[in-house]
This record gives sequence, C-alpha cells and structure tokens, in this order.
Amino acid sequence: DIVLTQSPALAVSLGQRATISCKTNQNVDYYGNSYMHWYQQKPGQQPKLLIYLASNLASGIPARFSGRGSGTDFTLTIDPVEADDTATYYCQQSRNLPPTFGGGTKLELK
Amino acid sequence: EVQLVETGGGLVQPGNSLKLSCATSGFTFSTAWMNWIRQTPGKRLEWLAQIEDKSNNYFISYLESVKGRFTISRDDSKSSVYLQMNNLKEEDTAIYYCTGGYGYNYFDYWGQGVMVTVSS
Repeated sequence: DIVLTQSPALAVSLGQRATISCKTNQNVDYYGNSYMHWYQQKPGQQPKLLIYLASNLASGIPARFSGRGSGTDFTLTIDPVEADDTATYYCQQSRNLPPTFGGGTKLELK
Repeated sequence: EVQLVETGGGLVQPGNSLKLSCATSGFTFSTAWMNWIRQTPGKRLEWLAQIEDKSNNYFISYLESVKGRFTISRDDSKSSVYLQMNNLKEEDTAIYYCTGGYGYNYFDYWGQGVMVTVSS
C-alpha cells in the first residue's frame, strides 16, 4: 500500500498563508494526472473534498485553497487563512488500490 | 442538495454481525462508484470497500484486511449502498462513512457517518 506522510500540526496567524505538505512513498502520477486529493474535516463533521487530482478545486470551495505537486511531493495552500479554516486536513492517493490517506494535519490559529 | 444518510450502527459484541445502510439523494447514484470508509478513534481514515456502477459490471474491491468478513452491495432502484459486516472485532470500532464519486477514486460525497462499537 502507498503510505502518505503529513506533519501532525501547523499553527498560522489569521490572514497569513498556510502550507500543508503530503509526501508519498511511491509515485502517484499516471498518464498526466497526479492521483492526489485533499479533504477538510472540522470537529464532529465528515470530511469534505477540497482539491482533486492535485490541483483542481472542488465545487463550492473558495479560491483561497489551492493544491500543487507531482510525483511524491504535494502541498495544500490556504491563503489567506480565515478563522473558519481551523480543521484537520487529509491527503489521499488513488493511484493504486487501496486508496490510502495521510494521518492528517491539524491547522490551528496562533 | 446531496444527501447520504447512514443507518444501522450501534454496539455489538465481538464475533457478531451488523449491516450498515446508506440512503442517498441529490446526485446520479446509478453511475456513481460507492465506497465505505471508516475513521478510527485515533482519527485515522481507512478505505474499506468499493462497488462500481453497472457499466463496470458492479466491480467490487475490498481492503485486504476485511476481505471475507465485509460485503458491499448496492440497490440502484433505491439509490442505496450497504455494508454487511460479519465476525466483528474490537478493532472494527469506528465511525463508518458512506461515500460516492465518479472515477479517479476520490470521494466527492460523504455521509454524516454512523458509529459502530464492538465491545463485550
């Protein structure tokens, strides 16, 4: 199985940029697509899709969120950070079965 | 409005069975690939099973560790997906989410989740 590694936590100030990283132990690119996706989960809620195929914004997600990367290194950026963005962010790969998730990065405000 | 509503969770003793149901609306269920994903008490997300759509002959995939114990199924006439869980173990304790998508195996839609507790 492909293993995804995220830092456990990140603290940023309101209005600043947050960059969350996800590293995989295998290449998740295939035929021009990077099979990496990002989700946001707030306490007591289900995860919500933010970014699919590394850099595509999901429906209804504000443009403050963006994703980039390829191969084994990916980032989710939130710029500027708002108070409502405090949550845990998960990356997920779908290059191979089974789909696997990172351990999550908890975003907190300074 | 997209809705996925899971039911059937609860407290069950080790070795027993449970069947989860997920009723959906607001999206084209018949062409969606449906999945079950669980979140452990430690907040780890774990994909369990997927059933593809009719055009893909309802192809089914499982996480290796639940193969033989869990069975996913769907009823397109009811826009519903199910997860039959047998021989439950304490480590199956988690919140179980029903999810859906349209290929590439990312998950557009999520239910609110249902808690399953396996304990004697």
